[in-house]
Amino acid sequence: EAAVTQSPRNKVTVTGGNVTLSCRQTNSHNYMYWYRQDTGHGLRLIHYSYGAGNLQIGDVPDGYKATRTTQEDFFLLLELASPSQTSLYFCASSDRGWGETLYFGSGTRLTVL
Amino acid sequence: AQKVTQTQTSISVMEKTTVTMDCVYETQDSSYFLFWYKQTASGEIVFLIRQDSYKKENATVGHYSLNFQKPKSSIGLIITATQIEDSAVYFCAMREFMNYNQGKLIFGQGTKLSIKP
Repeated sequence: EAAVTQSPRNKVTVTGGNVTLSCRQTNSHNYMYWYRQDTGHGLRLIHYSYGAGNLQIGDVPDGYKATRTTQEDFFLLLELASPSQTSLYFCASSDRGWGETLYFGSGTRLTVL
Repeated sequence: AQKVTQTQTSISVMEKTTVTMDCVYETQDSSYFLFWYKQTASGEIVFLIRQDSYKKENATVGHYSLNFQKPKSSIGLIITATQIEDSAVYFCAMREFMNYNQGKLIFGQGTKLSIKP
């Protein structure tokens, strides 16, 4: 079973604060993704990557940066957090691109005051 | 641009009955993949079942099956003999075949299913 670990599980910050969400997968998957989940919107893709050093822009990228430092690690950065970024964030990974199952982490709940 | 729409916000059915959840999608691509995922009360999201657009047969896994109607751009999830533990939020998702390295998965809004004893 694929393992995707997110940290922290919960995070509270203030408007304008700097936040980094971390994700590690231990199954040598090539693809990693960051989604946010909000009521009424389902899961929306922020950024994704198909390998170390690669970054692809998703559908809601504004206000977010991401970095894939290794095959295992994918980070989501909020450099000037805003209340609109209060959400539940999920990281996921998959072995290949199209047609492949995504394995999700447990999520990080971020609150921006 | 691709889009996935689930219009049913919530559904409630009795245990051991059959339920169908609707999903429609929009895509410009001739090849694509359709998925259903389940999010449990604990927040865990797991893959359930998948349909490849070029396959005419409806996919089936356990007590989950799909009703794929390509001309209508529709992919319904059917759960037969529902159990209490099927209570969850169900997401429909689509991936276009853009190129090998740039396929992205787009999700619908989700349907909350409640199974009553």
